[in-house]
Amino acid sequence: DVKVTQSSRYLVKRTGEKVFLECVQDMDHENMFWYRQDPGLGLRLIYFSYDVKMKEKGDIPEGYSVSREKKERFSLILESASTNQTSMYLCASNQNPPRDNEQFFGPGTRLTVL
Amino acid sequence: GNSVTQMEGPVTLSEEAFLTINCTYTATGYPSLFWYVQYPGEGLQLLLKATKADDKGSNKGFEATYRKETTSFHLEKGSVQVSDSAVYFCAHSFSGGYNKLIFGAGTRLAVHP
Repeated sequence: DVKVTQSSRYLVKRTGEKVFLECVQDMDHENMFWYRQDPGLGLRLIYFSYDVKMKEKGDIPEGYSVSREKKERFSLILESASTNQTSMYLCASNQNPPRDNEQFFGPGTRLTVL
Repeated sequence: GNSVTQMEGPVTLSEEAFLTINCTYTATGYPSLFWYVQYPGEGLQLLLKATKADDKGSNKGFEATYRKETTSFHLEKGSVQVSDSAVYFCAHSFSGGYNKLIFGAGTRLAVHP
């Protein structure tokens, strides 16, 4: 079974802190994704990566950056956390080419910025 | 543009009631369609999918049929259980490449005994 893990289930940070969210997948998938989930807005794509060191902006990249130094690991970075970045963050992965475009999700990290 | 519209929740039902959650999409080409489910405190899990017109996806008693003529993929279950309480997301694949998915806003389902 595909397994996508995220480093923390819950995080509390202060405004202005630098925040790292880590995601690891164990199925040798080429593509990895970071979403944020907010009530009434569904999932919105922040960034994705289709290969090591490669990244593409999603729909809401402002205030975020990403890093993919190894195939299995995709990090989301909040350079200076703000209260409007309080959200649930979900990581996903799939192979390239994907089988029916299905994505496999991690359990999520609920981030609170005070 | 590409989008997914789901019926707003919450949907509240009694156990053994019939469930329908409406989903319509706007997309170019012929996308694959998905229903994902998120149980409390967890990430998203694929519930079912359909990859071409008139396909029916099914899993755990849930069904959805890919209707190209109405651009719809409504989720149904004949008899819901308390354990079905979750948030349900409809999604379609993005024909612009990079294997992206376009998600709806999600519909929360609460099933009471």
